[in-house]
Amino acid sequence: GAVVSQHPSWVICKSGTSVKIECRSLDFQATTMFWYRQFPKQSLMLMATSNEGSKATYEQGVEKDKFLINHASLTLSTLTVTSAHPEDSSFYICSAGLAGRSYEQYFGPGTRLTVT
Amino acid sequence: QQQVKQSPQSLIVQKGGISIINCAYENTAFDYFPWYQQFPGKGPALLIAIRPDVSEKKEGRFTISFNKSAKQFSLHIMDSQPGDSATYFCAASNYGQNFVFGPGTRLSVLP
Repeated sequence: GAVVSQHPSWVICKSGTSVKIECRSLDFQATTMFWYRQFPKQSLMLMATSNEGSKATYEQGVEKDKFLINHASLTLSTLTVTSAHPEDSSFYICSAGLAGRSYEQYFGPGTRLTVT
Repeated sequence: QQQVKQSPQSLIVQKGGISIINCAYENTAFDYFPWYQQFPGKGPALLIAIRPDVSEKKEGRFTISFNKSAKQFSLHIMDSQPGDSATYFCAASNYGQNFVFGPGTRLSVLP
């Protein structure tokens, strides 16, 4: 149980284009979803927290207009990287908290984004 | 105050040995302390977690020790196996929000 999927698993895009990453909780409802960014051999940095049906809360230093987060349902959240630049290349990971047990969060497999 | 410190940065253990990773935090509002295991190119997986009302929690070969007064907690992996070789992250959270992760420990278990 508590499986989280991400799509795509990897993506290559050109500078200036936008990329959408999907995060789905497959066998549970997630009232809260988190988006992280991880550079090689580094820790996870929380980008934003999204609650179903409300606007995402972004961490300090994360550009809201560049990283658009939508949490339209209890099983789906999306992260759109707009006008991507090479410095946006990273490993993006989502996690989802179980409704009623939000302390536990389960991570997706991650999406490797490369911007050329 | 939001930082979580973790040590060592890397750890090499012989098969069958005990792996110990330590973490420390400052924010006394943290009330949930999980440990995650991450293999290269994969998302982290929840291993074990503890709340501050207990001092120890054991699940199989994994044990968390928690010292509230010292604001420290540690992960012990008993009978370490080569398959345990991965990066381990401690984390802290308050009320299931604002998860802060330690910098990670790369564990290598030698056969």
